[in-house]
Amino acid sequence: ELVLTQSPATLSVSPGERATLSCRASQRVSNILAWYQQKPGQAPRLLIYGASTRATGIPPRFSASGSGTEFTLTISSLQSEDFAVYYCQQYNDWPTFGGGTKVEIK
Amino acid sequence: QVQLVESGGGVVQPGRSLRLSCAASGFTFSSYGIHWVRQSPGKGLEWVAVIWFDGSNKYYADSVKGRFTISRDNSKNTLFLQMNSLRAEDTAVYYCARDWDENRRVSYFFDFWGQGTLVTVSS
Repeated sequence: ELVLTQSPATLSVSPGERATLSCRASQRVSNILAWYQQKPGQAPRLLIYGASTRATGIPPRFSASGSGTEFTLTISSLQSEDFAVYYCQQYNDWPTFGGGTKVEIK
Repeated sequence: QVQLVESGGGVVQPGRSLRLSCAASGFTFSSYGIHWVRQSPGKGLEWVAVIWFDGSNKYYADSVKGRFTISRDNSKNTLFLQMNSLRAEDTAVYYCARDWDENRRVSYFFDFWGQGTLVTVSS
């Protein structure tokens, strides 16, 4: 099984600051990777697919990059609504998800 | 707007069965592959199964293969998950999720999700 490892597990950031989240794959997945945001009591929401393409309606403060085994999601200036858990997911093989990074208010 | 509404969850004893449903609206259901994805505190998010737009192909995670069956009724815009021989480790919130690809293919990532239905397997 292709394992995704996200770091850090928790990221404490002040509103308006930049947040950088990492996702590492146990095998190369090319650019076949998505990012999701999940708030408490809600379903995940697609943010990014193809490693760097924003989904419909996702604001430009969300950007992502990477290929192969190393991927990054960046939120350029955190808004109050961005505090949530973020998951990466690869779909190069049978889909698997990372364990998540919780972005909390500092 | 796209809506996916799951139902059928509940508390069930180990070894028993449960059938989940997912009612879809706001899009052409018969053009999309649809998935079940579950989430538990211990195992996080886990893909469970997918069914092709026309029901012609179905694939399962190894953890549920042989016990769970995915199906759909395109005339009623509804997805199902028949879960047999349930185990404690099947306890999770079960989401139905639409595949991103609208062109009668499956890309294995998910652009819309339902709110989920909780399944608890316990004696």
